[in-house]
Formats: sequence, structure tokens, C-alpha cells
Amino acid sequence: LAKTTQPISMDSYEGQEVNITCSHNNIATNDYITWYQQFPSQGPRFIIQGYKTKVTNEVASLFIPADRKSSTLSLPRVSLSDTAVYYCLVGRMDSSYKLIFGSGTRLLVRP
Amino acid sequence: GAVVSQHPSRVICKSGTSVKIECRSLDFQATTMFWYRQFPKQSLMLMATSNEGSKATYEQGVEKDKFLINHASLTLSTLTVTSAHPEDSSFYICSARGTGPDQPQHFGDGTRLSIL
Repeated sequence: LAKTTQPISMDSYEGQEVNITCSHNNIATNDYITWYQQFPSQGPRFIIQGYKTKVTNEVASLFIPADRKSSTLSLPRVSLSDTAVYYCLVGRMDSSYKLIFGSGTRLLVRP
Repeated sequence: GAVVSQHPSRVICKSGTSVKIECRSLDFQATTMFWYRQFPKQSLMLMATSNEGSKATYEQGVEKDKFLINHASLTLSTLTVTSAHPEDSSFYICSARGTGPDQPQHFGDGTRLSIL
């Protein structure tokens, strides 16, 4: 099971772009990278997923370098409501694959 | 997108009570579901893998007789905390992966269990 390393916490201000980097040095060929957001007393919510290069959706972008040993979640123009814990996970995409959570990054957005 | 629903969202009960938590995949079939536990200010910890029609697989250190898992259909898994004690108080979360290629795991909204 690939292990990920993220900063424990980050601070930002409203309107800024936030980039959270995750290290996954032991990522396997078949592994995808998935990011989740979790608010207190809620289950994790899917943000974005990718395999290589760059992926963008309505809420975030995911940058993955060629060696895939790290990835960066980019949140454009954060708001107070983006204050949450962000988890980076790697693993295969089959239904029986169990995801193991790391400590996540606690993002605090200040006014 | 795929939706995973948990019920109840919150349970408060006396020590010694057994509590059942349901996890349903609402718009897809899930042969495998996962159960996690999360203590305050900590990350999610995987407890077990629930397999439809067969026994659950428990992670090291998780008591299978304490946390009974039943996955009787392709859309429902249940976790029963037997003879719950205050130390079992936690936030329990289930997840399942949607069908089709490149589908991520989706998580329920969790169940807050408080044992008095």
C-alpha cells in the first residue's frame, strides 16, 4: 500500500491560490492519485483524481510530474468555506482496493 | 455521481447496548464496502472490508466479534457494534467504489456514536 506524506497544516487567506503537495515515492504503475476534502463530522468528499500530467475540474486542479512520485492539489481563490482537512491517497482503481488514509493537511483559510 | 448513504447519522446509547449502522450504495451496486473509524482530530482508520456474500476482512487489531459486519446484498452493508462501551464512541464512516472505469471511492456522511 503506497504511503503518502503531506504537510500537517497550511494557512491561507481568502482569494488566494492554495497548493498542497503530497509525496508518494512508492507509487505503483497501476496506482491513481485521489484527493478528498473532509469537514468536521462529515465523511470525506471526492475532489479530484488523476494518473499523470494535469487534471482540472470545476473546483481544483491536480498536477502530477512525469515520475509520479508527488502530486499537487491546487485550489484557486479559496474562500472561508474551503477550511477543511485535505487527504491525498494513492491506489488501484478496482472495487476491492482498500484506501489507507494518511494524516492529511489541515487547511485554514482566514478572512 | 455515486452516492453512499449511512444511517443513522447519530446514536447515543447506554453502555452494553448493541448498535447497528447501515451503509447503502444508492445508485450503484457495490460488491465491496469499507468501514472506517475516526477519533477526534485524527485521520480515518480502516477497520474492515465488507464483501458481499462472504465474510468481512478485518484489519489488524480490530475485533471481529466486537464489530460484526454483514453484507447481504449488493447495496447494503451493516456494522454492528456489540455490547458497546464508552471507548467505542467514535465517528464511523463507510465507503464504496462506484462501478465503471476510473470511479473513485465515495464515502457516507458518517455516524457519530456516543456511548454513555
